[in-house]
Amino acid sequence: AAGVIQSPRHLIKEKRETATLKCYPIPRHDTVYWYQQGPGQDPQFLISFYEKMQSDKGSIPDRFSAQQFSDYHSELNMSSLELGDSALYFCASSAGQNTGELFFGEGSRLTVL
Amino acid sequence: GESVGLHLPTLSVQEGDNSIINCAYSNSASDYFIWYKQESGKGPQFIIDIRSNMDKRQGQRVTVLLNKTVKHLSLQIAATQPGDSAVYFCAPRTGANNLFFGTGTRLTVIP
Repeated sequence: AAGVIQSPRHLIKEKRETATLKCYPIPRHDTVYWYQQGPGQDPQFLISFYEKMQSDKGSIPDRFSAQQFSDYHSELNMSSLELGDSALYFCASSAGQNTGELFFGEGSRLTVL
Repeated sequence: GESVGLHLPTLSVQEGDNSIINCAYSNSASDYFIWYKQESGKGPQFIIDIRSNMDKRQGQRVTVLLNKTVKHLSLQIAATQPGDSAVYFCAPRTGANNLFFGTGTRLTVIP
């Protein structure tokens, strides 16, 4: 079965650079969520989209932005990268809101040097 | 926001024994709860869910118990196997479908 696809799987950037992560949800899933997980931390909700509109916002820094495109894939843009942005970034998708289970991708590991 | 806590950060069990992982949540409006398993370097994987109108749900080798009175959940894993070694998160949902993860419990299965 198709799962959530995230790219790139690994990314290394310098401080103050910009990074873009991509997420391709499960086919026919219209809701996408982004989570950030620092080393030894629990996943922190960043932002979600439903039908290409921002649905909810969590602890996403102002330096980050995201959008969901017409094909339902989503991109997380991170600018002015800081050392503390080094983390695993997970994307999850679901079929609609309030429908239950979120299906997670394998994550994108961002390292900021 | 939601505050989620797990009673024990680590749990070690012998292979074949039963495991019990506990979770407390703070928002009484939470209507849906999911347990996720996360292996090292991988994304959280769904284990089992329960809605607030239930107090028990069983899956294959796993059982989730919900006590809304004290805002407590537990995940029971029967006949724990080495492949069960992972970090387990409970994730309550309130309103929109966003899940708030608490600090996970690391389960280590001793062969």
